[in-house]
Amino acid sequence: QKEVEQNSGPLSVPEGAIASLNCTYSDRGSQSFFWYRQYSGKSPELIMSIYSNGDKEDGRFTAQLNKASQYVSLLIRDSQPSDSATYLCAVNRGGGFKTIFGAGTRLFVKA
Amino acid sequence: EPEVTQTPSHQVTQMGQEVILRCVPISNHLYFYWYRQILGQKVEFLVSFYNNEISEKSEIFDDQFSVERPDGSNFTLKIRSTKLEDSAMYFCASGSAGWTTGESDEQYFGPGTRLTVT
Repeated sequence: QKEVEQNSGPLSVPEGAIASLNCTYSDRGSQSFFWYRQYSGKSPELIMSIYSNGDKEDGRFTAQLNKASQYVSLLIRDSQPSDSATYLCAVNRGGGFKTIFGAGTRLFVKA
Repeated sequence: EPEVTQTPSHQVTQMGQEVILRCVPISNHLYFYWYRQILGQKVEFLVSFYNNEISEKSEIFDDQFSVERPDGSNFTLKIRSTKLEDSAMYFCASGSAGWTTGESDEQYFGPGTRLTVT
């Protein structure tokens, strides 16, 4: 069983729509959950972190965590072509510990 | 805005040679990490470092790898005898907090060093 699983995509949405990205993880001891955006040839850029069950909103981004279901999601509202990138889900047991990344979901936002 | 920097941006080396990849973490951060990403594959954890010692390492981080914080600013990754399969992007990351605080252990990545082993 993969430790962090994401649908590889590509996920294609029209400009202005909501993009929904999902991630599941296998380690029940995980405490910290992150979404990174990675443009081709660039390094991962932190978008959101979430630590408690529920929703966390930051601008156009909303992260959702359900520890019982071992599920994390990212919603991007009013998607823009500049949001086109690979979105990486990452999980660890706390800072200083091994962080496991998913393989990423490729998102295309069509103008 | 503070950022993690890495040098060189691209390193080409011959198989069997030693390489040192350098990173300057964000100045008030206490936790340091190395990751690698082979072309087209996912980001893989190599090692985490805190208080001048390794906190955790992955199975990839074998005896060929070592890390060091030689002074108050630099954080280095050394590969003793490079293999063809070490060709990858190597990312350094740093964070301000860790398990002792429970939250806000966000990690910020540098731009990476592309290592090519020929």
